[in-house]
Amino acid sequence: GQSLEQPSEVTAVEGAIVQINCTYQTSGFYGLSWYQQHDGGAPTFLSYNGLDGLEETGRFSSFLSRSDSYGYLLLQELQMKDSASYFCAVGDTDKLIFGTGTRLQVFP
Amino acid sequence: NAGVTQTPKFRVLKTGQSMTLLCAQDMNHEYMYWYRQDPGMGLRLIHYSVGEGTTAKGEVPDGYNVSRLKKQNFLLGLESAAPSQTSVYFCASSYSDSSYEQYFGPGTRLTVT
Repeated sequence: GQSLEQPSEVTAVEGAIVQINCTYQTSGFYGLSWYQQHDGGAPTFLSYNGLDGLEETGRFSSFLSRSDSYGYLLLQELQMKDSASYFCAVGDTDKLIFGTGTRLQVFP
Repeated sequence: NAGVTQTPKFRVLKTGQSMTLLCAQDMNHEYMYWYRQDPGMGLRLIHYSVGEGTTAKGEVPDGYNVSRLKKQNFLLGLESAAPSQTSVYFCASSYSDSSYEQYFGPGTRLTVT
């Protein structure tokens, strides 16, 4: 089977840096994705790591270590609009399995 | 482009009633998915399709059926609704070579009383 673990909630202040960790156990693994979901909205794709290492997209970066079955999403220069839920998801050839999400609250 | 659309946006059913949720995408995506989202449970895959005429079970398929008669449409059916199926339902789609990047519809909020 497949399982993912991520913290349920993280808080930070504007301008700070926050890291959301994700550990996984899976029988088949093709990569780790991250999605953002604002309250009442739909999930939106943020990033993907198919190989070990760091991927950077603007203020957001994502990291993967296959040997440790571990990844993280790093959010820099936090803004109020970053308050949302963040989901990691592991993929096999044709589908994703999502974690239960981390709720990020950004305070002024 | 409208992206991924879902119909209806809200629905209230009585236990035992049936309904169909419609998902449509105009991005020519091969793959389509149905998820349900419950508080504290994240997104759970119900069924998915890797092409027209194909369907496969996800993590929580019981009580649901799906059909993909046209590439752009993916239907989710509840034959006999139960209160446990109260949830927000999301449809998503992706290209076959990038299923890690899925595009989601706005969701359908279903309440079964």
